[in-house]
Amino acid sequence: DAGVIQSPRHEVTEMGQEVTLRCKPISGHNSLFWYRQTMMRGLELLIYFNNNVPIDDSGMPEDRFSAKMPNASFSTLKIQPSEPRDSAVYFCASSYRQGGSGTDTQYFGPGTRLTVL
Amino acid sequence: AQSVTQLDSQVPVFEEAPVELRCNYSSSVSVYLFWYVQYPNQGLQLLLKYLSGSTLVKGINGFEAEFNKSQTSFHLRKPSVHISDTAEYFCAVSQGAQKLVFGQGTRLTINP
Repeated sequence: DAGVIQSPRHEVTEMGQEVTLRCKPISGHNSLFWYRQTMMRGLELLIYFNNNVPIDDSGMPEDRFSAKMPNASFSTLKIQPSEPRDSAVYFCASSYRQGGSGTDTQYFGPGTRLTVL
Repeated sequence: AQSVTQLDSQVPVFEEAPVELRCNYSSSVSVYLFWYVQYPNQGLQLLLKYLSGSTLVKGINGFEAEFNKSQTSFHLRKPSVHISDTAEYFCAVSQGAQKLVFGQGTRLTINP
């Protein structure tokens, strides 16, 4: 069974460029999460979707960040324009949401390491 | 707001020794608690979770954790560690919603 797939695994770009990170959740999962991991701030939830609909984007740092989920098997996180402080590891996770509880297990992808020069 | 404090940023242990990784949370209502492990250059993997019921929770790879409501703690333990347990360990809390709040992580280093 394939897990959560993220691409690219590594991205190096220059300040001001647009960056697009991609995620394919586990088949059958109906919730998708984007996290950012940095040394200073640890793991932060950026945004999550239920059934392709964004539910909470309060963690998105600013308007330069946007996320979409056009269908159940694909999501993107876009940064435009990118800045050096966006350098981090970005994780995508998915889960199968059962009812209204927060007990679902989130399965994480391997992450995308982004470096903005 | 919920928060999670992992009291040790790094824990060095000799192989086959016991280990305890400490986690305290702050919340005024019932919570669900999780421990995740992150091996080098990989994503996070669930070790165990506490939802309700027995306060002693057993997980994968021989780990267990005990929920202590009065001390708002959820410490992770293993009676005998192996080199392969070298990783970063994250405690997390959710409060009935789907959002997980993670601690800063504890880096476990196993020395031969």
